[in-house]
Amino acid sequence: GAGVSQSPSNKVTEKGKDVELRCDPISGHTALYWYRQSLGQGLEFLIYFQGNSAPDKSGLPSDRFSAERTGGSVSTLTIQRTQQEDSAVYLCASSLASGIQETQYFGPGTRLLVL
Amino acid sequence: QKEVEQNSGPLSVPEGAIASLNCTYSDRGSQSFFWYRQYSGKSPELIMFIYSNGDKEDGRFTAQLNKASQYVSLLIRDSQPSDSATYLCAVNEANQGGKLIFGQGTELSVKP
Repeated sequence: GAGVSQSPSNKVTEKGKDVELRCDPISGHTALYWYRQSLGQGLEFLIYFQGNSAPDKSGLPSDRFSAERTGGSVSTLTIQRTQQEDSAVYLCASSLASGIQETQYFGPGTRLLVL
Repeated sequence: QKEVEQNSGPLSVPEGAIASLNCTYSDRGSQSFFWYRQYSGKSPELIMFIYSNGDKEDGRFTAQLNKASQYVSLLIRDSQPSDSATYLCAVNEANQGGKLIFGQGTELSVKP
C-alpha cells in the first residue's frame, strides 16, 4: 500500500516569502505528526493531530508556523515570512492512532532552503 | 526540558563485529522506546521498539531497556556495510500520547 507522501520534495524560496508544505498520511491513520530536521541534527517535534481533537502545537517555534489538517487526512504546514533559519528538512509521519505504542511511519520529507 | 541523549559518533566498527548504540533519556514517565535508522538523504525507518525492561531480539538486532537507569541501547550483531547509517533513538513523552522526543542520532560506519 501507499506510504506517507509529501510535496514538494524540494522547495527553494526567498527570505520573507510564505511556503506551504503538504502531507498525505497513510490511509486509515488517524494521527499525523510534523517534525523538522536541521543538518546533522535529530528530529524536532513541531505539531501533531489526532482525529478530531485539538492539535498539540507545543513544538511550533514561532507564530509564523501553522498547520491544519482537513477532513482528518491531508495536512498542510505553512511557514509565513520565511527566515534563513527555517531551512531544514520537514518530515511528516502518521500512525494508526496516537497511543504510546503506535509506530510512526515517515514520509520522504520536504527539503526547504530559504535564501 | 525533556531530553534524549546519544553520542553523535561516528562509531566505526569492522564488518562482522557487534555495534553498540546507546541512548539515555530524562523523562522517568516514558514508556515506549524506538530505534529508527536513517540513511543519508532519506527519511527515518523503524528498526525496533521496546516497552519492557530487558532485552528484545529481532534478527541481528537486540534492543535493551533499563528504566531504572533511564537507558536504552541497540546492539547490531554481524554488522554489515549496509548497516552504515544514522541511528535515532526516540522516546515517548509521558502523558502526551504518541508524541516522541528524538535524540540527535549516532552515525555508524561499518568498514568492510
